Amino acid sequence: EPEVTQTPSHQVTQMGQEVILRCVPISNHLYFYWYRQILGQKVEFLVSFYNNEISEKSEIFDDQFSVERPDGSNFTLKIRSTKLEDSAMYFCASSPDRVREQYFGPGTRLTVT
Amino acid sequence: GQQVMQIPQYQHVQEGEDFTTYCNSSTTLSNIQWYKQRPGGHPVFLIQLVKSGEVKKQKRLTFQFGEAKKNSSLHITATQTTDVGTYFCARTDSNYQLIWGAGTKLIIKP
Repeated sequence: EPEVTQTPSHQVTQMGQEVILRCVPISNHLYFYWYRQILGQKVEFLVSFYNNEISEKSEIFDDQFSVERPDGSNFTLKIRSTKLEDSAMYFCASSPDRVREQYFGPGTRLTVT
Repeated sequence: GQQVMQIPQYQHVQEGEDFTTYCNSSTTLSNIQWYKQRPGGHPVFLIQLVKSGEVKKQKRLTFQFGEAKKNSSLHITATQTTDVGTYFCARTDSNYQLIWGAGTKLIIKP
């Protein structure tokens, strides 16, 4: 069964450094998402992406964040200058349609020290 | 957008007991989705409810959507250790963003 994959599984970085989190969505899906989940808390929407552009973004998704689909398969989240409070699990998800279920990747645990 | 309120935050049950989690909204929902997240895992889609009064079953799991489409529930009959995890409801808003409830953590007492 096709699945969303994410790399790396765990990223440790120093405050102020840039990180790029990578995702490979399910191949025939059209909608892509990034979420974050601080340990023990709820899932928070960051951004959705469709047709090579951002379709929606939350208040969390400020200027330090950017997303890209550099080729036909990868979907990346860049955090330009990480802060301690960016430490969280980041999930990528994809969906065939914006009103249907979303398929989540295993997540990248980001630790900012 | 409007939040979905999900209760309880935690539920401790003996194995074999039932479990229920509830989601409520102050506004009418176009749909509600339910996800399960195992400890250390990622959210996994369980079901989507769209119609008023809809009831769907998946083995021991029963999902309901209220008549007014403002609330939903997930009921698990005779819990097993494999049911452990956090159950989230989520709604799509007018911009098709998924807005998540806070989740209910199901804990099986030893």
